[in-house]
Amino acid sequence: GQNIDQPTEMTATEGAIVQINCTYQTSGFNGLFWYQQHAGEAPTFLSYNVLDGLEEKGRFSSFLSRSKGYSYLLLKELQMKDSASYLCAVRDSGGYQKVTFGTGTKLQVIP
Amino acid sequence: EAGVVQSPRYKIIEKKQPVAFWCNPISGHNTLYWYRQNLGQGPELLIRYENEEAVDDSQLPKDRFSAERLKGVDSTLKIQPAELGDSAVYLCASSLSQGDGYTFGSGTRLTVV
Repeated sequence: GQNIDQPTEMTATEGAIVQINCTYQTSGFNGLFWYQQHAGEAPTFLSYNVLDGLEEKGRFSSFLSRSKGYSYLLLKELQMKDSASYLCAVRDSGGYQKVTFGTGTKLQVIP
Repeated sequence: EAGVVQSPRYKIIEKKQPVAFWCNPISGHNTLYWYRQNLGQGPELLIRYENEEAVDDSQLPKDRFSAERLKGVDSTLKIQPAELGDSAVYLCASSLSQGDGYTFGSGTRLTVV
């Protein structure tokens, strides 16, 4: 089975940087995803990490440490439209290659 | 390119009634997923298809839920009979393969009264 832990809520100021952490426990690891979900909408894919290190994509970056079971999503130059839930999802290496989502971190960006 | 298309967008039914949801994935996406998302929770996988084959239905409550993807393209998820606890958003997603990020549809918000 898998266990994924994220903070429930975070608040950050427009223009600032925020880091959303995700820790996980899994019997076999085969990749970690980050998704953004605005209220009432479907999740949209942000990033995928399977090897250790930092992946940068514009204002968003995602980091993975497999040995620590840890990832973070870094959002720079925050904008009001970044207010959303951010979901961490882990794929296991079992036969089903199942992807399990965390409960998400609700980020509120304030002026 | 059209995204993942789901219908209906909203559905309100009385308990014990049947309900069906439809999904048309992105053209060429072989892998299709049905997820259920409760308020304040992450999506939970119900079933995954590779083409027309259900390769992971371990989390599908088979006593009342069924799904099909007959020609390996669009898919239908059915609940019969619905229970109050089935109220949730049902999300369909597709990907080129298991290794890619998913594209989700807009979901069907089901309310069972």
